Amino acid sequence: GAVVSQHPSRVICKSGTSVKIECRSLDFQATTMFWYRQFPKKSLMLMATSNEGSKATYEQGVEKDKFLINHASLTLSTLTVTSAHPEDSSFYICSAGDLRGIGEQFFGPGTRLTVL
Amino acid sequence: RKEVEQDPGPFNVPEGATVAFNCTYSNSASQSFFWYRQDCRKEPKLLMSVYSSGNEDGRFTAQLNRASQYISLLIRDSKLSDSATYLCVVNPRTGGFKTIFGAGTRLFVKA
Repeated sequence: GAVVSQHPSRVICKSGTSVKIECRSLDFQATTMFWYRQFPKKSLMLMATSNEGSKATYEQGVEKDKFLINHASLTLSTLTVTSAHPEDSSFYICSAGDLRGIGEQFFGPGTRLTVL
Repeated sequence: RKEVEQDPGPFNVPEGATVAFNCTYSNSASQSFFWYRQDCRKEPKLLMSVYSSGNEDGRFTAQLNRASQYISLLIRDSKLSDSATYLCVVNPRTGGFKTIFGAGTRLFVKA
């Protein structure tokens, strides 16, 4: 399958700081990237969908001013958690897909965020 | 009713057993179907796509029943390394590209 990288893999920060997570599709052009979060022993929860060059579409209940998503190119999307708080601590996973394909998504390895 | 429903399990089976997972979906217009595998504290990995004609990859067989709106995954000769959560994934492909994930089924394979 396609390769998607995510950086950083782990971050610990103080409450009130902003954290930026990068997601890159390394060997294909991703028309669409997705951002998920997952709490321990819970299922993936879609936060937002972003298409290259356009604004992200956020799921209900996800604050777009808190979770800033930029998808500037077909290979890079970023998620910035602004003014992070302990309740934002979670496993954030991006995935990349190609609308021109059959719809499978390839996931990055995830970023474990801990806000102190 | 959830858009994609799976039995959460857990399924506890001995090595060598055959185990089957089912998944139902509510949107009859759904176009693409997948099984993903997720290990603890790791990202989901695509296991296989599911086609109407069914598909097989080694010990894994996936089936799609559009009339009944369910997909299945059969694992034969279970290995310890098959222990994971199996996610059923459905892509409606209507008006966009929004994939729906099931909550996953936990599988424990024991020696």
